[in-house]
Amino acid sequence: QKEVEQDPGPLSVPEGAIVSLNCTYSNSAFQYFMWYRQYSRKGPELLMYTYSSGNKEDGRFTAQVDKSSKYISLFIRDSQPSDSATYLCAMSAGGDKIIFGKGTRLHILP
Amino acid sequence: KAGVTQTPRYLIKTRGQQVTLSCSPISGHRSVSWYQQTPGQGLQFLFEYFSETQRNKGNFPGRFSGRQFSNSRSEMNVSTLELGDSALYLCASSLAGDGRENSPLHFGNGTRLTVT
Repeated sequence: QKEVEQDPGPLSVPEGAIVSLNCTYSNSAFQYFMWYRQYSRKGPELLMYTYSSGNKEDGRFTAQVDKSSKYISLFIRDSQPSDSATYLCAMSAGGDKIIFGKGTRLHILP
Repeated sequence: KAGVTQTPRYLIKTRGQQVTLSCSPISGHRSVSWYQQTPGQGLQFLFEYFSETQRNKGNFPGRFSGRQFSNSRSEMNVSTLELGDSALYLCASSLAGDGRENSPLHFGNGTRLTVT
């Protein structure tokens, strides 16, 4: 079983829809959770960084962590064509290397 | 504040050659990590440097090596290139090692290496 599982997509949704992106993990020691966005020919860009279970909101983005289920989500409200990118989840146990999911390709259709 | 800078952006090499990639971290960041990104494997951790010392290492062969200089700039080297080394090589910096061990990574735009 891989440490971090993420559906590669592609996921296509109409503009304005709510997008839900998810990752599952197997290592119960993971405590720090991140979401990155990567546009074509660019490096990953940090979107959200959370430590505890629960929700964290930043503008149109909400990160959700459920440690009991080993499941994290990123919600994008009022999705825009500019949100079309690959979204990578990442996590670490603290003081150790950060493990990434393989990324989900998202297409927002105008 | 300038972001992470990687040079060159693109490289084409032939099998058996060696290559050196360069990374300048965000000012004030002393931890530098290197990742290999391929469509099949995603982001794979290569190594991390802090204060000119390798702190962590991934599961890559010894052909992959790196170093860090006193100004925190880092280089990675791949010797005896193989076709499978074709990938996007990403450098990331963070505040880890300066009392903020769980600081997130900030990435550069990578070096696209093609081995023919």
